[in-house]
Amino acid sequence: DGGITQSPKYLFRKEGQNVTLSCEQNLNHDAMYWYRQDPGQGLRLIYYSQIVNDFQKGDIAEGYSVSREKKESFPLTVTSAQKNPTAFYLCASSRETVQYFGPGTRLTVL
Amino acid sequence: GIQVEQSPPDLILQEGANSTLRCNFSDSVNNLQWFHQNPWGQLINLFYIPSGTKQNGRLSATTVATERYSLLYISSSQTTDSGVYFCAVGTRNYGGSQGNLIFGKGTKLSVKP
Repeated sequence: DGGITQSPKYLFRKEGQNVTLSCEQNLNHDAMYWYRQDPGQGLRLIYYSQIVNDFQKGDIAEGYSVSREKKESFPLTVTSAQKNPTAFYLCASSRETVQYFGPGTRLTVL
Repeated sequence: GIQVEQSPPDLILQEGANSTLRCNFSDSVNNLQWFHQNPWGQLINLFYIPSGTKQNGRLSATTVATERYSLLYISSSQTTDSGVYFCAVGTRNYGGSQGNLIFGKGTKLSVKP
């Protein structure tokens, strides 16, 4: 089946650790996105990539890093520099304008 | 930057009732999408509607781009319609990409049996 997968579904991190969230799509979409959602809030853009080996910062990129080595994959690393990383992280992809979302990863810092 | 405001923030309905959700935006857009987020967090795209009117079953949407608002209509609501409805807009001025979206804070809908 075509779609977007994210793993893990739940992730627990100790303060000071880096963690990497996985996002994979088999929709043959060029563009991929990472969003952060806090309770009761809308989504905020962290990073986006319109083509392999290229990515741009969104509104809240500080403390995060990404790579885009393959069209299908856009992993997000939450570094120790991110002061308040506990949130719900959503990955999306699009061919032109319509975005499709993965099921999300809930990250909790202990 | 562009502002997106959704109203009402919360809505409680009895099963079978109709509702209208509103999205106002502060600047011209070339991309507008409505999403439904279910209680497990999954976002489902409902409509891509930068202008005009579309219908899909019990749901329909209208965007009046010149007046900078969009409406989402839900008729004969069901308990499975519960969740959060998000409006998101895009503009070429935002990151230079037509695909980048700015989300409102959503309308939380609860449909009671």
